[in-house]
Amino acid sequence: GENVEQHPSTLSVQEGDSAVIKCTYSDSASNYFPWYKQELGKRPQLIIDIRSNVGEKKDQRIAVTLNKTAKHFSLHITETQPEDSAVYFCAASMGNTGGFKTIFGAGTRLFVKA
Amino acid sequence: GAGVSQSPRYKVAKRGQDVALRCDPISGHVSLFWYQQALGQGPEFLTYFQNEAQLDKSGLPSDRFFAERPEGSVSTLKIQRTQQEDSAVYLCASSFASGGSGTDTQYFGPGTRLTVL
Repeated sequence: GENVEQHPSTLSVQEGDSAVIKCTYSDSASNYFPWYKQELGKRPQLIIDIRSNVGEKKDQRIAVTLNKTAKHFSLHITETQPEDSAVYFCAASMGNTGGFKTIFGAGTRLFVKA
Repeated sequence: GAGVSQSPRYKVAKRGQDVALRCDPISGHVSLFWYQQALGQGPEFLTYFQNEAQLDKSGLPSDRFFAERPEGSVSTLKIQRTQQEDSAVYLCASSFASGGSGTDTQYFGPGTRLTVL
């Protein structure tokens, strides 16, 4: 079945710096890759997603890139702010062929130091 | 508008008790997912519904876990004879359409934190 690996598990950056989180997936049938932000005690919230027919997507300070050949995708946060501190999860969905399963990575705890 | 809601928000059960966790998806959302999130881990897929049909239950860890969505809206996750390893946050998510490829955005509920003593 699908496996999603995410790294680093912890990332500490200075306010204003960029943060990059990387994920790899195993099943080439995966076709949808969302990223969620989860603050302590809160629900995961979608921050950006990318579909398999697109290589890059950007939304203000957040961007995601997808390399289907290498089966990896990355989250880029620029000009980080203290409120970006949270746990970030990547995920991969296999859609119809995979029974609609969405497999999450283990998460990256991002600390943005003021 | 109202988001996904779950109840109860917290549940403490003695080992061996049965529990029922409820999920109210966003009105009109076809797809509904249940996940289990252990402390410090990512959500783990349990099961998926498209309307009232349970299309994938491959993530349910044992036959003690049972989920239903009889009218295609509210869903209940039931855990029988709870064990300590069942302690986790149970998250429900819904999305608008099946899309044939399961690629729609999932909106999560706040979760139910289950503690089994």
